[in-house]
Amino acid sequence: EDQVTQSPEALRLQEGESSSLNCSYTVSGLRGLFWYRQDPGKGPEFLFTLYSAGEEKEKERLKATLTKKESFLHITAPKPEDSATYLCAVQARNAGGTSYGKLTFGQGTILTVHP
Amino acid sequence: SQTIHQWPATLVQPVGSPLSLECTVEGTSNPNLYWYRQAAGRGLQLLFYSVGIGQISSEVPQNLSASRPQDRQFILSSKKLLLSDSGFYLCAWSPLGTGGGNQPQHFGDGTRLSIL
Repeated sequence: EDQVTQSPEALRLQEGESSSLNCSYTVSGLRGLFWYRQDPGKGPEFLFTLYSAGEEKEKERLKATLTKKESFLHITAPKPEDSATYLCAVQARNAGGTSYGKLTFGQGTILTVHP
Repeated sequence: SQTIHQWPATLVQPVGSPLSLECTVEGTSNPNLYWYRQAAGRGLQLLFYSVGIGQISSEVPQNLSASRPQDRQFILSSKKLLLSDSGFYLCAWSPLGTGGGNQPQHFGDGTRLSIL
């Protein structure tokens, strides 16, 4: 069974204090790893897709990296507007059945950035 | 550009009442469609997915059902709601492809359902 574990559950940072969020995964053949941002009362907003170990993607103050067992979301010099829940999800290679397009999500990391 | 709409945004229903939540997608054809439930402080649980009109797959046994009467319309229903059906319901779509593989899913803003 595919599993995704995110840590820490919650992270409090001061504005400008860089840090990283972790996403550890177990999957029977990775098709893709996805990062989302979710604001309170809203649906998740897509950030990045990573496909293979060693790949990196960047967007403003965020950079996502991928190894064979985990992914990191690095936040450089965060601002209060970066406060949100960050979700990680994996998609396994199609097993020819119910795994078709299915994403398995972690529980998320709640990030709070204080001014 | 593609957009996804869900309604209503919030809903309060008594136990035993019926339910109908609707989701529509604009700006794309033949999308894969998904219904998720998110409990407070927890990740997303996939409930149903659909790869075409009338084609519904269920991921977990439950009190809910789904239907896809049109290409870009996805409906979540229940005949009699239970207290345990409370939660945040999210609809999502992904482009048609090899099972939507490698393509991100894009989410609506959800329906907050409270059962009294």
